[in-house]
Amino acid sequence: GESVGLHLPTLSVQEGDNSIINCAYSNSASDYFIWYKQESGKGPQFIIDIRSNMDKRQGQRVTVLLNKTVKHLSLQIAATQPGDSAVYFCAEKPNRGSTLGRLYFGRGTQLTVWP
Amino acid sequence: DTEVTQTPKHLVMGMTNKKSLKCEQHMGHRAMYWYKQKAKKPPELMFVYSYEKLSINESVPSRFSPECPNSSLLNLHLHALQPEDSALYLCASSFRGEAPYEQYFGPGTRLTVT
Repeated sequence: GESVGLHLPTLSVQEGDNSIINCAYSNSASDYFIWYKQESGKGPQFIIDIRSNMDKRQGQRVTVLLNKTVKHLSLQIAATQPGDSAVYFCAEKPNRGSTLGRLYFGRGTQLTVWP
Repeated sequence: DTEVTQTPKHLVMGMTNKKSLKCEQHMGHRAMYWYKQKAKKPPELMFVYSYEKLSINESVPSRFSPECPNSSLLNLHLHALQPEDSALYLCASSFRGEAPYEQYFGPGTRLTVT
């Protein structure tokens, strides 16, 4: 994931619009990626995952795209709803030197949905 | 049951106190994790247990002492903490580094050190 920084990127969208949250990962040897949603005062909640042998994976209202050439991951949320407001974290699992399925988290993006 | 539970939800302690955080899961996961999370930051890994044995300690100060009594329980014992240790402490579990790699998180314990 991205290196931890001081600034939490933000994204504001209108209800009903589509949202795209981006993440740049650091390790070209990573073979698994995951998106988490964290609402205020709660623990991270699994949204969707993707393996490195895939470019795209779809879930319910969400799509994850993986571009290994530029080491970029994105989460697309269709018809964004107020309940989607949260911090979204990407995480990667390197396939070497990563014991126990250890995940490395990106710095997160605060998504705010306004009516 | 895909739930990780943590108690207490909130904890306020003085710098001379001793307290413990508890975590429980019944998903048959054999890897359990402690994370520390500061506001607006990603979770930072502290400890990993695999089959009840400590496998990773991310150079955490000794005032944090983890314990895994059995495959379902994970504790974090706290002693002589500092105000900068105030944070959200998250517990997670997974299938011990095997697919699926998803980690399931508990709701966290909000710790305030006074």
